[in-house]
Amino acid sequence: KNQVEQSPQSLIILEGKNCTLQCNYTVSPFSNLRWYKQDTGRGPVSLTIMTFSENTKSNGRYTATLDADTKQSSLHITASQLSDSASYICVVSAASGTYKYIFGTGTRLKVLA
Amino acid sequence: DVKVTQSSRYLVKRTGEKVFLECVQDMDHENMFWYRQDPGLGLRLIYFSYDVKMKEKGDIPEGYSVSREKKERFSLILESASTNQTSMYLCASSYRQRTDTQYFGPGTRLTVL
Repeated sequence: KNQVEQSPQSLIILEGKNCTLQCNYTVSPFSNLRWYKQDTGRGPVSLTIMTFSENTKSNGRYTATLDADTKQSSLHITASQLSDSASYICVVSAASGTYKYIFGTGTRLKVLA
Repeated sequence: DVKVTQSSRYLVKRTGEKVFLECVQDMDHENMFWYRQDPGLGLRLIYFSYDVKMKEKGDIPEGYSVSREKKERFSLILESASTNQTSMYLCASSYRQRTDTQYFGPGTRLTVL
């Protein structure tokens, strides 16, 4: 069964600190993996997208990594800011079959001053 | 910038009412999607459409129908609302390919009493 699991479920850090969020998937065959940021009460916004051949992608202070062999991805946030408080969702799409995206349940990050 | 708009941010309906949720995108995207998002469950696909008048069921289509008469507009219909359809509903669109990013609307929080 195609699944995406994220950890931790929630995380609290102090402003200025770094953090890493994890995503493990069992989607096969793999097409691409996205990380989204979702502010409370808003729709998700894309941060990064990686295909099979890419193992790192950056977007400002956000750096995503992908290990296609172990089927793991991480999202690293550097020098966190209060505005980073949000849910971060990992989404994997398959290379064949029904056109759909498999969503993780997200990691809720809170950054404290 | 891509813009996906949804007709209402908040909606309160009574059990048995017919409910229409509308979504409009302004970037000539081929694909449009309806999801519901519930705590601890992540986003689940209700229906998607890859062309005008074309639609396919997602993971949880029961109790819902959709309409896509024009390329820019995708409507979700609850024929007879029930309390278990209380949720956040998110619309998304993407250009065409599987690697294309989905752009999400702000969401509609529907409460069925």
